[in-house]
Formats: sequence, structure tokens, C-alpha cells
Amino acid sequence: ETGVTQTPRHLVMGMTNKKSLKCEQHLGHNAMYWYKQSAKKPLELMFVYSLEERVENNSVPSRFSPECPNSSHLFLHLHTLQPEDSALYLCASSQDVGGSTDTQYFGPGTRLTVL
Amino acid sequence: RKEVEQDPGPFNVPEGATVAFNCTYSNSASQSFFWYRQDCRKEPKLLMSVYSSGNEDGRFTAQLNRASQYISLLIRDSKLSDSATYLCVVGLMDSSYKLIFGSGTRLLVRP
Repeated sequence: ETGVTQTPRHLVMGMTNKKSLKCEQHLGHNAMYWYKQSAKKPLELMFVYSLEERVENNSVPSRFSPECPNSSHLFLHLHTLQPEDSALYLCASSQDVGGSTDTQYFGPGTRLTVL
Repeated sequence: RKEVEQDPGPFNVPEGATVAFNCTYSNSASQSFFWYRQDCRKEPKLLMSVYSSGNEDGRFTAQLNRASQYISLLIRDSKLSDSATYLCVVGLMDSSYKLIFGSGTRLLVRP
């Protein structure tokens, strides 16, 4: 419905695992974003990509590693996560970065649980 | 101080009621303003942008007061389907343009 898909929808991993979250947008947008939403906290911007270049890295721990191979795909590679990293990870896209009227369209999110 | 502050609610109202949500933001350089809606265990979706002159979309009216750094959302004739969390969102240019989200106000519309 939204044109932004995310896989997997749910993920349970141990602290020593390595996993990747995938996001794909079918809207022809140039900008993609990763957000983290923890319980009872506002969405936190993690990374911003514009035309496959990272333009924002919001003081995110290095155990989160983004990758943007092209303007339609965005990955978030996870390794040695902590239980406090359990959250809903949302991907979004917009036509461009910096447009004050740009609407961000969100994917359904990946609900991550770190044991 | 939070960058975007909202009353978490919940606001529990009967169908047909009028309900208003308020939001304040701390950065006077904020450039754009939005209300997003997030249903339980779903992603946020844009409800409406907020313009300086105020704007209306059906039963929803949004207003902005830049001097007081205050945004509001009014919902008239509430429907059961309006039950959701309403996120106040502010856009500003920092090192790049970014959206700052409030924690949301939860609305429950009862029959």
C-alpha cells in the first residue's frame, strides 16, 4: 500500500548474531531513511541517504551499519546488538532530502527483539 | 527539554465529539510542520501538513503559531476509525533536513 516494503517483519536474534534488515521503495524517490522507535519514545532518526550517499549519521553506535546499493534499496546490518536495541525499525523514503514539503513514506517496520 | 512535546493522553472521547491536540516545539528555526497518524503496531502515515495560515482537510483542522512555537490539531465529529496515535512532527535544517517526531498523543474514540 505505501510503496515501501521491509523484510523481515519480525526478527529475534541473540547478541552474538549478525543479521540484516532490508528496505525497498517502489516510489522512485531519491532519499531513504532508517528510524528507530522504542516503546513510549519518539521516532529517532538513525541514517539518511540521498542518491545512495549517506548525508546524516545521527550518532548511531557502530553495531548498526547501513548500506545503500542503489536509490531503491536500503539495508541495515546488525551485529553484536544489545537487548536495549530491541525496537521497531522503520524505513522511510521521500522524493528528495531537504524539501520542506517532502512527505516521508514509511514501511511497515521490522520488530526486532535482541535476547 | 524535548524538541517536540505532546500530551501522551490517552484522550477517551465518544463518537461525534470534537477533540483537540496540542504540541510545542523548542527550535525556533523549525521550517515545516506535520501531523502523522500511527495505528497500533503500524507505520506512521502523513495526516496533513500544517501551514502558517492554518489549514483544513475534511474533519481535521491544523493550526500553527510560530510566535508561541505551538501546533494544534482539531478533529470534529470523531469516528471510531480515528482511534490512533497522532504524532506531531517538525522539520528543520541542521546538517541536513530532518524530521523531529513527538512521542504522540493517543486517541480512543468509543461508541
